[in-house]
Amino acid sequence: GENVEQHPSTLSVQEGDSAVIKCTYSDSASNYFPWYKQELGKRPQLIIDIRSNVGEKKDQRIAVTLNKTAKHFSLHITETQPEDSAVYFCAAIISSGSARQLTFGSGTQLTVLP
Amino acid sequence: DAGITQSPRYKITETGRQVTLMCHQTWSHSYMFWYRQDLGHGLRLIYYSAAADITDKGEVPDGYVVSRSKTENFPLTLESATRSQTSVYFCASSESTGFRLIFFGQGTRLTVV
Repeated sequence: GENVEQHPSTLSVQEGDSAVIKCTYSDSASNYFPWYKQELGKRPQLIIDIRSNVGEKKDQRIAVTLNKTAKHFSLHITETQPEDSAVYFCAAIISSGSARQLTFGSGTQLTVLP
Repeated sequence: DAGITQSPRYKITETGRQVTLMCHQTWSHSYMFWYRQDLGHGLRLIYYSAAADITDKGEVPDGYVVSRSKTENFPLTLESATRSQTSVYFCASSESTGFRLIFFGQGTRLTVV
């Protein structure tokens, strides 16, 4: 996704610490921002999403924040556990000509060290 | 999720051959998608379909053909496989309007030699 940039590409944290992954997008009309988790050799799975009329959403240890003015959104994982180790993808709906498509970031490999 | 399945899970084919990847969903979702996943590129949309007999190009459609004669099936065909099409392919579906709540299949690892 050239129109969705994701950072960092790799992230290592100690168990119990927090992890933050950031994404920026280019289309000011984007109104839906999901996050997917992909464990090694498995399919991506939706873990949390946020719509543009909300600034923050939480679900237990994970939260997503959205800054529409700056066109960036972030995934926050608190009290990280080894099972949080995976690749995380952000996505945003991007207009391409007359079509709108869900465009993914390039992914962040999160490693939680015991 | 058992509701969307892909076959085969692994495939090795030769350059120039035609190969078809199958995708079947049991939820009667309106939307279906094909993505390819390559290191450093995340997931890139190849084609999608909003309903039976309605398909549209995604970000990287060249070299691929799709059809959707039935709501539950969305096959992806590589007409003449090239090495650059070596990738992991994911089929996905969504019941919602647009791209919300997308559920992915298990993936097909395709190697073109």
